[in-house]
Amino acid sequence: EVQLLESGGGLVQPGGSLRLSCAASGFTFSSFAMSWVRQAPGKGLEWVSGIRGNDGSTYYADSVKGRFTISRSNSMNTLYLQMNSLRAEDTAVYYCAKDRVSSTSWIGYFDYWGQGTQVTVSS
Amino acid sequence: DIQMTQSPSTLSASVGDRVTITCRASQSISSWLAWYQQKPGKAPNLLIYKASSLESGVPSRFSGSGSGTEFTLTISSLQPDDFATYYCQQYRSFTWTFGQGTKVEIK
Repeated sequence: EVQLLESGGGLVQPGGSLRLSCAASGFTFSSFAMSWVRQAPGKGLEWVSGIRGNDGSTYYADSVKGRFTISRSNSMNTLYLQMNSLRAEDTAVYYCAKDRVSSTSWIGYFDYWGQGTQVTVSS
Repeated sequence: DIQMTQSPSTLSASVGDRVTITCRASQSISSWLAWYQQKPGKAPNLLIYKASSLESGVPSRFSGSGSGTEFTLTISSLQPDDFATYYCQQYRSFTWTFGQGTKVEIK
């Protein structure tokens, strides 16, 4: 059974940092691209960042580029999101999501999602 | 970035109704479109990919159609479990983008 379990969310002041983790199980983690998708309170879904499984190539939404860093440990089956210079508008539930198809490239749609972790940026 | 626009934003319907949600892309995305269902406090659930392919385990009352810039999600006979918010998502090119969502409410 595929499971994705996020952790690391919390309350942080503007300008602060947080590191999110997503522990994956039930599939060959290294074979799939993974993404972070966020949802601000009462709002829709926003793709934040993605990372390929084989070579670790990364991509970011313009809204987080230069502030957030996605990474992964295929040996530990874990996805990370390092978030620096946090702003109030980064307040959201952050989901990790698995690409639907195993590939050396990007697929871009998601068949499994974690339960989400809340990030609140406020003074 | 490719912008995705859904209509309507809210839809009121009754059990048994046929429901159609539209999603328009700001430029052609071929058939690189997915649909998700999300219930309050839960993660999204994949319904449709490649515009019209039904994800395994999803009831056959859900169907998708379209290509290029205009797409539809149809629920042939609305069931109580279907009251939720639905999102389209393009994966033609980065930055992958979602529509703003369509909330299906009980009439």
